[in-house]
Amino acid sequence: AQSVAQPEDQVNVAEGNPLTVKCTYSVSGNPYLFWYVQYPNRGLQFLLKYITGDNLVKGSYGFEAEFNKSQTSFHLKKPSALVSDSALYFCAVRSADRGSTLGRLYFGRGTQLTVWP
Amino acid sequence: DAGVIQSPRHEVTEMGQEVTLRCKPISGHDYLFWYRQTMMRGLELLIYFNNNVPIDDSGMPEDRFSAKMPNASFSTLKIQPSEPRDSAVYFCASSFRGRVDVYGYTFGSGTRLTVV
Repeated sequence: AQSVAQPEDQVNVAEGNPLTVKCTYSVSGNPYLFWYVQYPNRGLQFLLKYITGDNLVKGSYGFEAEFNKSQTSFHLKKPSALVSDSALYFCAVRSADRGSTLGRLYFGRGTQLTVWP
Repeated sequence: DAGVIQSPRHEVTEMGQEVTLRCKPISGHDYLFWYRQTMMRGLELLIYFNNNVPIDDSGMPEDRFSAKMPNASFSTLKIQPSEPRDSAVYFCASSFRGRVDVYGYTFGSGTRLTVV
């Protein structure tokens, strides 16, 4: 079974401080991992992905995420948070195995990030 | 490309009425997904299609919900009769199988449904 866990419903940080939004996953075989962001009254937008290669991936708006295979984690990070980063963040996974359910991503429940000025 | 287009953006209806939500996926995409988002349940997958064929509808809450994809450029999600607990934001997303590992999904802006 493929699944994603985002253990924190809410993360609060002060502007200028580093932020981390946690994600752990479960898949058979190697994973494809994604982060999406949802601003109020908008659809989900692609932020970054890990497919293969370097464990540290960089995405839009200064975000990055670190893939850790031994811990089955893909935490989202940013060195210095902005108030405008406040949004709902979703982690998603899909097995890279050709025999898995092609095309479908499995999403976590989302983590609400609030950055205080 | 205009992206995934959903209509209407907002829908307010009375309990018992039929509601139809519409989605136009990105041209060339062969997967289409319907999701429902609520505070209580988060993002739930209702149903998805591949090449216009429903692949998994196990997330459809009950028989009041139905979805169709008559062609590659159009899908509908229908609720009949609607109930207040159906109030949620409904998202449509599309992807191209060969590129889901590149860009994942593209989501529409959603339809906010309120059943009173």
